[in-house]
Amino acid sequence: GAVVSQHPSWVICKSGTSVKIECRSLDFQATTMFWYRQFPKQSLMLMATSNEGSKATYEQGVEKDKFLINHASLTLSTLTVTSAHPEDSSFYICSAREMGGRGNEKLFFGSGTQLSVL
Amino acid sequence: TQLLEQSPQFLSIQEGENLTVYCNSSSVFSSLQWYRQEPGEGPVLLVTVVTGGEVKKLKRLTFQFGDARKDSSLHITAAQPGDTGLYLCAGARNNNDMRFGAGTRLTVKP
Repeated sequence: GAVVSQHPSWVICKSGTSVKIECRSLDFQATTMFWYRQFPKQSLMLMATSNEGSKATYEQGVEKDKFLINHASLTLSTLTVTSAHPEDSSFYICSAREMGGRGNEKLFFGSGTQLSVL
Repeated sequence: TQLLEQSPQFLSIQEGENLTVYCNSSSVFSSLQWYRQEPGEGPVLLVTVVTGGEVKKLKRLTFQFGDARKDSSLHITAAQPGDTGLYLCAGARNNNDMRFGAGTRLTVKP
């Protein structure tokens, strides 16, 4: 099946620094990628939809200036957490949509990035 | 308010028991997916259902899509400890919108 690579798997940083997370679709082109945030024992919360070559669409309550998304190619989207603070500590997951016919959309997920801000 | 209401939120059963997880919405979906996620990993796709009334089987797992394409269920027969995990349903409404239910955390005790 399709593979999505997410890097890094975990990162520890000091408060005030910026962290970049990469999401790559390895064997298919993804015009749309999604970024999620997940707190312990909870479901995935959609943060933003990343569209190749255009601005990301952010969900209500998600600060676009804090969570910068770039989708410069059909296989790569990046999420940068700017000026990270301890409350930004979370598990971040990306997914890439592989398109088929109607109703044949499939989401393939990266393995996630555990961010810990000290 | 969740677009997809998933129930139950938590479920703890003994090995060998059967269980059903429900995913309900007032919206119509072009497709609905079920995922299973283990701690520290991304969700893994189990199945996609597309047609109203569709039933798909994956070994001991049976997935059903409601006739109106607004709801779905996942039934596990003779659950095993290896089935333990977070089960998520996700619905696609159009080409650029897929949302997840709150998840069902299943624990199967040996």
